[in-house]
Amino acid sequence: AQSVTQLGSHVSVSEGALVLLRCNYSSSVPPYLFWYVQYPNQGLQLLLKYTTGATLVKGINGFEAEFKKSETSFHLTKPSAHMSDAAEYFCAVSEVDRDDKIIFGKGTRLHILP
Amino acid sequence: DTGVSQDPRHKITKRGQNVTFRCDPISEHNRLYWYRQTLGQGPEFLTYFQNEAQLEKSRLLSDRFSAERPKGSFSTLEIQRTEQGDSAMYLCASSPNSRGGYTFGSGTRLTVV
Repeated sequence: AQSVTQLGSHVSVSEGALVLLRCNYSSSVPPYLFWYVQYPNQGLQLLLKYTTGATLVKGINGFEAEFKKSETSFHLTKPSAHMSDAAEYFCAVSEVDRDDKIIFGKGTRLHILP
Repeated sequence: DTGVSQDPRHKITKRGQNVTFRCDPISEHNRLYWYRQTLGQGPEFLTYFQNEAQLEKSRLLSDRFSAERPKGSFSTLEIQRTEQGDSAMYLCASSPNSRGGYTFGSGTRLTVV
């Protein structure tokens, strides 16, 4: 069965600094990978997804993530943090061949320091 | 299209009461999912439908929980004899398939007192 591990339940960065949120996955078949963002008292919004093809995926709000099969990783980055990026971020995986549900990590709360 | 709608947004109930939540998916999406999210955790899968067929249920979904999707449109999630441990955010999502990522609703926050 697939699973996701997000390293760091809380990450703090200064406004304007690089954002790096780490995600490692486990899957027995080629995975689909996702990053979602959740603002307080709201549902989840899809930031970006990797399905097939190019391993560097660009998403909304300036975020991007790179699929590294050899490292089983899908880390999320943004070159310059904004105050509005403060939120909870979830990495998620689904198994392509099984056409199965998406499994989420426990999340990383991103704090932006002024 | 207004996205995925969930009703109510908040529900406070006394322990032992029954509650029912509703989810209206994006109209052209044939897959509908229910997740539960507790504080500090990621969403946990509960169940999903393809059209009106319920294809999978998590073992988290005890026999007090039941979900339906009549006619493959909206879905309801009912919890009978609520317990304090049922307090959580219940999220609904829909998708045309599992490969494109889901569109989530804003959730229903349940508080059992």
